[in-house]
Formats: sequence, structure tokens, C-alpha cells
Amino acid sequence: DADVTQTPRNRITKTGKRIMLECSQTKGHDRMYWYRQDPGLGLRLIYYSFDVKDINKGEISDGYSVSRQAQAKFSLSLESAIPNQTALYFCATRSGTGDTGELFFGEGSRLTVL
Amino acid sequence: GQNIDQPTEMTATEGAIVQINCTYQTSGFNGLFWYQQHAGEAPTFLSYNVLDGLEEKGRFSSFLSRSKGYSYLLLKELQMKDSASYLCACMDSNYQLIWGAGTKLIIKP
Repeated sequence: DADVTQTPRNRITKTGKRIMLECSQTKGHDRMYWYRQDPGLGLRLIYYSFDVKDINKGEISDGYSVSRQAQAKFSLSLESAIPNQTALYFCATRSGTGDTGELFFGEGSRLTVL
Repeated sequence: GQNIDQPTEMTATEGAIVQINCTYQTSGFNGLFWYQQHAGEAPTFLSYNVLDGLEEKGRFSSFLSRSKGYSYLLLKELQMKDSASYLCACMDSNYQLIWGAGTKLIIKP
């Protein structure tokens, strides 16, 4: 089983619908991240969390919200999806023992908003 | 502003050597990462450099020059499975990662 699991892997939805992407990890890491990836652009950070009580906005948080339900779970919500939120979304984790540790990514969630 | 530049696409031949360059401008610097990403899959860690010089790891090596804001990833003895995108990312003074758009490497027989 993957250390970082994302659900759903693929989702097609309509404009205005609420969508939740879920991420769970078995690595025991404190730090969790949500990124989106668009063709021709680098990964862009949406939100990140250093522990259950610590949630921080990334560079493109508008239109998104998150919930850190437990150390192992970090969910991303689109309250009212719009077409330009069509993208590949990645959850990632990093050990809290060092700021320069490698990121471990989930398999990705491909979201299409019609 | 912060910026990471790397070529969009490169083509190389199986068995050959290829060098993928990355130049960066960031607010502070706490290291540079290289990740590999096969199409439709998650990025996976390749290397981390924070000091100047060359780090070798099997067929892959990564070089950093902090004074020049420059890094490269060197892939030797190319195999077909090396066809992937290679992502360069810098960690700024706030320990946030700034990502390049990635270099798509195409390996031909």
C-alpha cells in the first residue's frame, strides 16, 4: 500500500459543486501539503499544515479550504468549483525533524470541472 | 520575484549522457531539490544540494553553484525508463519550495 493515499484519483464535476479531496498518510509525518499541478507550470502550494492545530495558506489558497482531522489526514475542499480549478492535485508529507527533508507525494487526484 | 528556469523539453539517445540545467532566483536559499515525475504519476525525490559541488548517486549526479544560482542534473547511461519530467525546486529563506515547470526528457532508442 502507498504511504500517502489520495482519494478520489479522478473526479469530474460541474461548476458550483462542492468537492473534497482526501489525503491520508502512514509515514507518521507532521507536515502535510496540498499542491496543484497545471501543464507548463510548476507545482503551486495551496495549503500546508505543520500539525493538527497549525494550518497555513500557500500561494494560491483562494477558492480552497483545508481540514487537518488528525496527524495522518489532511483534506482539501473546493467550496464551489470553477473550471479553472481543473488540475492535478497532489498531497505531500515531510518529516518534521528537518525543514529540508524530502517530500513524499501521493498518487495525485485529477479533477475536471465542467 | 522568485523564479526557477529550466528547459521545457530535451531529447537524448539511450545509453548516452544528458545534462538538465536549472537556474534560480529566490529570496534566500536553503537548498535545491531534483524530482523525477513519470507521466501521470507522483514526483519522486532524486537529490538535494545545499553546498556547492557535485553529488553523485548511481547514474544520476546533481551539481550546485550558489554564486551562479545554477544547478544541473546529469543522467548517465540513459535507459528508456528515464523518460520522464525532471523538476527543479529551490527552498527559499522561509523554507518554502519554489518549483520550476519541469523538463520533459524524451529518450530515443
